[in-house]
This record gives sequence, structure tokens and C-alpha cells, in this order.
Amino acid sequence: QKEVEQDPGPLSVPEGAIVSLNCTYSNSAFQYFMWYRQYSRKGPELLMYTYSSGNKEDGRFTAQVDKSSKYISLFIRDSQPSDSATYLCAMSPPGSGGSNYKLTFGKGTLLTVNP
Amino acid sequence: NAGVTQTPKFRVLKTGQSMTLLCAQDMNHEYMYWYRQDPGMGLRLIHYSVGEGTTAKGEVPDGYNVSRLKKQNFLLGLESAAPSQTSVYFCASSARLAGVYEQYFGPGTRLTVT
Repeated sequence: QKEVEQDPGPLSVPEGAIVSLNCTYSNSAFQYFMWYRQYSRKGPELLMYTYSSGNKEDGRFTAQVDKSSKYISLFIRDSQPSDSATYLCAMSPPGSGGSNYKLTFGKGTLLTVNP
Repeated sequence: NAGVTQTPKFRVLKTGQSMTLLCAQDMNHEYMYWYRQDPGMGLRLIHYSVGEGTTAKGEVPDGYNVSRLKKQNFLLGLESAAPSQTSVYFCASSARLAGVYEQYFGPGTRLTVT
């Protein structure tokens, strides 16, 4: 079993839709959970991150972590064509005693938002 | 700040040729990484460095070598290129901020080996 599983999609939605992107993981040591966005032919850039369980909201984006289920989600409200990109989840263990400078990435989900 | 830059942006090699990819960062980050990204495979870590003069193997190190002689630069070398090394290569750097290591990525190098 891969440490991080992510549905590659592709996912195609109409503008204004609510988008849900998900990852599951197997390593219970993971404490930091991140979402990166990668536009076509560009490098990934960090969208947001959460520590341990709970929710975090940033504008139209909400990240959720359910450690009991080893499941993380990224919700995009009122999706826009400019949100069209590949979204990668990434995770790391805590710093003390763990090498959290290394991230474990999902394979990414390609999202297209149609006007 | 330029952030993370990569040279070259594109390259075509013949099997058996060698080349060096250069990564430079101007954020004074301690940690630097080289990844390759292939369709359906995601980002895979090739080598990384936790500081000037140090290097370590990642998930897929075979066929690659690296050097970190200066803190701001991280070089990735291919001694004898193979078609299996056709990929997009990304360099990243990071530093610890509030417990998390945010990795900043360069724009990528598209390498084709024929």
C-alpha cells in the first residue's frame, strides 16, 4: 500500500461548483498536511497547510484533516476557471525526532473548471 | 527575490551523454531537494541536502549524482543519460517556519533523452 493515495482524476466541473479533493494515507506519524497547486508547465506552490486534525479556511479554500480515518480533503467553493490546475496533497511527520523536512506527496488530481 | 531558479529550462540529450542541472535559491534556505515528475507517478524525490556540503539519497537516486558546494546552489548530474530519465525535474528549497517546512519549487527543467 502506498503511503499516500490520491485519485488522479481528471475532475471536470462547471464554474461555481463546489469541488472536493481527497487523499488517504497510511502512516499515522504524519502530522503536517499540505495542499500544493500546480498550474500547467509550472512548479507546485503551497496553497495551505494544517497541523494535526481539524479544519482550516482561507478564502474559498477549506482544508480538513480526519486523523482517525487517515483522510484529508480540500474543498473549493465557488470554483473559478483560474482554479484549473493539478492539486497535490503532501504530508510529513513532526519535527522532533522525525525528518519533517521531507514531504510525501500524492500523485495529484487534475481539476478543470469550465466557464 | 527570484526565489528558486533552474537552468536550463529545456534540454534534449542523446543516450549516453552527460549533463548538469543547476538550481539556485536566494532565500537562505538550509534544505534543498531534487524531484522528478512523470505522468501517473507524481513527484519522486531523487536526492536532497540538509545543508551546505551535505547530500542524501531520496526515493529514486540511481543514475543521478548531486553536489551542494554552496548553500544557495544544488546541482543534479546525469553521468550517462538513459531514455528512462526523460522527465520534468523540479528543484525545491525549504526552511522551518512555525514547525512546518514549506517547500518552494522552481519552474522545472524538461529533459528528453533520445
